Amino acid sequence: ELKVEQNPLFLSMQEGKNYTIYCNYSTTSDRLYWYRQDPGKSLESLFVLLSNGAVKQEGRLMASLDTKARLSTLHITAAVHDLSATYFCAVDMKGAQKLVFGQGTRLTINP
Amino acid sequence: DVKVTQSSRYLVKRTGEKVFLECVQDMDHENMFWYRQDPGLGLRLIYFSYDVKMKEKGDIPEGYSVSREKKERFSLILESASTNQTSMYLCASSSGSFNEQFFGPGTRLTVL
Repeated sequence: ELKVEQNPLFLSMQEGKNYTIYCNYSTTSDRLYWYRQDPGKSLESLFVLLSNGAVKQEGRLMASLDTKARLSTLHITAAVHDLSATYFCAVDMKGAQKLVFGQGTRLTINP
Repeated sequence: DVKVTQSSRYLVKRTGEKVFLECVQDMDHENMFWYRQDPGLGLRLIYFSYDVKMKEKGDIPEGYSVSREKKERFSLILESASTNQTSMYLCASSSGSFNEQFFGPGTRLTVL
């Protein structure tokens, strides 16, 4: 059974600082997705990582995938308040049409 | 852009009522999903469908049923709503060959 674990689950940080959210998963998969959710809203797709070594960047966010370590990271550079949200990673179940989601990381960025 | 719409943003129902939540996608996606999201519990898959008239149970199907009569529409049915079904319900869709899911805006259901 595929399990996906994120850490930390809660993160409070100051503007201007850097930090990393980790997403570990338990069985082989080549595809991983990151989503953002604002309070009271739905999930918005951020990054799609399709192979080992994939790196995607948008603004202050950068995501990477290491399929051998079964690990993805979401790195935040020089955080700003607008990045406050809950971030989910989701892993493709091989042979299935569904994703398995992590628990989510609630990120709060304080001025 | 993929668009997934849900019939209501907010819904208030009474215990015992039959509730229909509708989801429509406009990108000809084969797969559609219903999740519920509760504080501290993340996203939990209720049902999904990979083709018209096909359905598969997810992790928490009890108390729910689904219907997919047309490719673009996936309905979640609460036969007899209970207070423990108060939640945010999210619909999503994905293509058959690529599993990135696109989410609707969500329906916040309150059962009194």
